[in-house]
Amino acid sequence: NAGVTQTPKFQVLKTGQSMTLQCAQDMNHNSMYWYRQDPGMGLRLIYYSASEGTTDKGEVPNGYNVSRLNKREFSLRLESAAPSQTSVYFCASSEGGGDYNEQFFGPGTRLTVL
Amino acid sequence: AQSVTQLGSHVSVSEGALVLLRCNYSSSVPPYLFWYVQYPNQGLQLLLKYTSAATLVKGINGFEAEFKKSETSFHLTKPSAHMRDAAEYFCAVSGGVGGGFKTIFGAGTRLFVKA
Repeated sequence: NAGVTQTPKFQVLKTGQSMTLQCAQDMNHNSMYWYRQDPGMGLRLIYYSASEGTTDKGEVPNGYNVSRLNKREFSLRLESAAPSQTSVYFCASSEGGGDYNEQFFGPGTRLTVL
Repeated sequence: AQSVTQLGSHVSVSEGALVLLRCNYSSSVPPYLFWYVQYPNQGLQLLLKYTSAATLVKGINGFEAEFKKSETSFHLTKPSAHMRDAAEYFCAVSGGVGGGFKTIFGAGTRLFVKA
C-alpha cells in the first residue's frame, strides 16, 4: 500500500497563477483533510471531507477550494495564488471523523508563490 | 474551545540522555490526545495516542506519554535519546464539537540530539 500520495512535491508559482494539488489514499478511508504548515504555527486545517460527497471549511479556507472526486481522491485548488500561500501543504486521511481516529499524512507539497 | 501548548520550540539533548517534550492542553470535554513525529521532508506519523484506556501510553521507538488530568498535561518521554530521534514532534488534541475533524495541533517542538 502506498498510503497517502501527493503531487506535485514542489511547485513555484507567480502571483495570480492557479494550480491544483492532488491527493489520493489507498486505505479505503472515509475522511480526508488538507493542512498547511508554516514555521512556528503547527498545522492548520484548510478544508476537510468527512465522507465522499461532502466538504467543509476548516480554520483557514480563504483562497482555496476543494473537490472530493471520489472516495480515494481529494484535491486542493488555488485559484489566484498569493505570496501568503507560500507554505508546505499536507493531505491526510482517517477512517472516519471520530475523536480517537489517527490521521495518516502524505509527504507534502512545498509551494512557493513569488 | 480546545487548544494545545507545546513548551519549547527547540529542545537539545545528548545521545543517551532523557528526552522530555512538554504538552499542555485545554479541553472542555474529555480529550483524545496524540503525539506525531515529523522527520525532515516527510509527513507526520503517529507516535502514540491516548483514548482513555490507560493513562500511561506506550508508542513506537521507545516513546511514552502520561495523561495527567489534574495538570492538563500529556508530556512525551524517552529514557535514552538516539540520533535517529532528531525530528519535529507535534502534540494534538481532539474531542468535543467537530470531533476528529477539528483536531488541533500544537506548534511543534524540534528535537536535536548531540553525539
